[in-house]
Amino acid sequence: AQKITQTQPGMFVQEKEAVTLDCTYDTSDPSYGLFWYKQPSSGEMIFLIYQGSYDQQNATEGRYSLNFQKARKSANLVISASQLGDSAMYFCAMREGGSYIPTFGRGTSLIVHP
Amino acid sequence: DVKVTQSSRYLVKRTGEKVFLECVQDMDHENMFWYRQDPGLGLRLIYFSYDVKMKEKGDIPEGYSVSREKKERFSLILESASTNQTSMYLCASSSILAGGSAGELFFGEGSRLTVL
Repeated sequence: AQKITQTQPGMFVQEKEAVTLDCTYDTSDPSYGLFWYKQPSSGEMIFLIYQGSYDQQNATEGRYSLNFQKARKSANLVISASQLGDSAMYFCAMREGGSYIPTFGRGTSLIVHP
Repeated sequence: DVKVTQSSRYLVKRTGEKVFLECVQDMDHENMFWYRQDPGLGLRLIYFSYDVKMKEKGDIPEGYSVSREKKERFSLILESASTNQTSMYLCASSSILAGGSAGELFFGEGSRLTVL
């Protein structure tokens, strides 16, 4: 069974609008971390944002925020005021407990239209 | 500026050839990873190393081996390349979880391997 599920293979958004990329996860470990990465067409994966399972508040980094709903096991990425440069693949990942190894979802391709 | 460097961005090899993919990081990270990325499948872990000469198999280790003789360098080896190993290979590193670190991965630019 997949531990990380990204149900949207592709998303389209108009420039300057907000967009939400979905991510659900499955774990029985009470301690875990959730990550989002961006992969532009150049290929290099870039770390965007992190949420720990015990964090009380949703993580934010500039235009990125993580909508963490623990009971629903959901960790959606919200990008506010989309820019053309946001067009990329986005991957959700989870690391459980004391493991150093994250598991990745299959990714969502985001295209921002002018 | 922190950096993970993969030796080749693009390689074309023939079936049966031995292939070396090299990865070097300058962040003194303990952990290093090799992932394979295929469309629609996301990133799948091939091997993980948490220290010099230490390694763990990931989800898809068959047909691959690794070497970590120095802390900064982690090599992926295809002993006898096959066409189904045509893919994008991503190397990454991370630090141990200390000082509030999230333990995020730092990636190289990827190596796109084509096996003919």
